[in-house]
Amino acid sequence: DAGITQSPRHKVTETGTPVTLRCHQTENHRYMYWYRQDPGHGLRLIHYSYGVKDTDKGEVSDGYSVSRSKTEDFLLTLESATSSQTSVYFCAISDLDSNTEAFFGQGTRLTVV
Amino acid sequence: AQKITQTQPGMFVQEKEAVTLDCTYDTSDPSYGLFWYKQPSSGEMIFLIYQGSYDQQNATEGRYSLNFQKARKSANLVISASQLGDSAMYFCAMRGSYGGSQGNLIFGKGTKLSVKP
Repeated sequence: DAGITQSPRHKVTETGTPVTLRCHQTENHRYMYWYRQDPGHGLRLIHYSYGVKDTDKGEVSDGYSVSRSKTEDFLLTLESATSSQTSVYFCAISDLDSNTEAFFGQGTRLTVV
Repeated sequence: AQKITQTQPGMFVQEKEAVTLDCTYDTSDPSYGLFWYKQPSSGEMIFLIYQGSYDQQNATEGRYSLNFQKARKSANLVISASQLGDSAMYFCAMRGSYGGSQGNLIFGKGTKLSVKP
């Protein structure tokens, strides 16, 4: 199995609080992605990174920020959590050079109350 | 902009029969990759099959094959001899190239497949 872990796996937080989700990889892959999964919407890309300090917005980036200070870690921050950000969040990693599949973390279930 | 379309929200198939899940895509990148993932009720994302835009032959992996029609921009997944364990959500995805979309990886909305005994 690819070495990718997400933390925490479950979190309940209050509206208005900041929340940070962590994605850690041991594969030294260049690309890292954050998605949210909601019923009827599939997986929607929030942000992705193509190298240390290199990030770009995805389809649903409003209200989210990311940081990648090391190859192995990609952090997703909800600056001020809202109920609409209740979702399952997935991190994925990919190595474009080898043109292989993207590997996914186990997901983080976030509930904003 | 890249786009993936899966037009079948849900499908049923009889056990042991074949089923085709549809996927169409749109991209301006000359080089791209197409993927299919399975998500069972337990939630994990399982990679099934990959097709590169320059691959001459359709990809196959065991009971899975990808019917790639580049001119029609379609990448349908064919599952042969369906099994009860194939019941899951199936997602089609596309990744751009270096010079195009910086490796952007986007997904369709998915198709829920139910296999009937």
